[in-house]
Amino acid sequence: EVQLVESGGGLVQPGASVRLSCTASGFTFSNYSFNWVRQAPGKGLEWVSHIAGSSDNIYYADSIKGRFIISRDNAKSSLYLQMRGLRAEDTAVYYCAREGHPLIPGFFDHWGQGTLVTVSS
Amino acid sequence: DTVMTQSPISLPVTPGEPASISCRSNQSLLHSSGHNFLDWYLQKPGQSPQLLIYLGSSRASGVPDRFSGSGSGTDFTLKISRVEAEDVGVYYCMQTLGYSFGQGTKVEIK
Repeated sequence: EVQLVESGGGLVQPGASVRLSCTASGFTFSNYSFNWVRQAPGKGLEWVSHIAGSSDNIYYADSIKGRFIISRDNAKSSLYLQMRGLRAEDTAVYYCAREGHPLIPGFFDHWGQGTLVTVSS
Repeated sequence: DTVMTQSPISLPVTPGEPASISCRSNQSLLHSSGHNFLDWYLQKPGQSPQLLIYLGSSRASGVPDRFSGSGSGTDFTLKISRVEAEDVGVYYCMQTLGYSFGQGTKVEIK
């Protein structure tokens, strides 16, 4: 069974840093691209970042470019999001989402349960 | 940037009746491959989103056939032929040329 479990969220102060993790199981992690998607409280979905299976293609949303870094460790079946310079507007549930087909962009076929990051003093 | 606009924002529905959601892009999502790079997702209350439709009109595995996607280029539609109570939630379109979501359409039972 495919499972994605996010962790690392919590209450952080403005300007602080935090690293989110997404641990995968039930499939060969390195074969898939992954994305981070966030959802501010009561708001819609916002795509954040994409990383290909071998980390050779990485993309970011303009809203977080230069502050967030996506990475992965295929040996540990883990995806990461290093977040720096956090702002109140970064407060959201952060989901990791697997791109389920090697030839079809998007196709987010599995999502984690999300981890909440709250940026507040 | 590709901007996705959904309508309506809120959609009260009657069980057994059809429902339709529109999604428009400010840029064509028709790829040179001939496919439209657009997904549809449903986020049920308290849950993570789930994939319904990919490449504009292909149903994901396990998705009931009452859901269908259509459209090409900049105009797309998600249709539910006969709404069931379990279909309530927020529906999002997402363009997959560069990844961005529509603002969502909340479907609720009348």
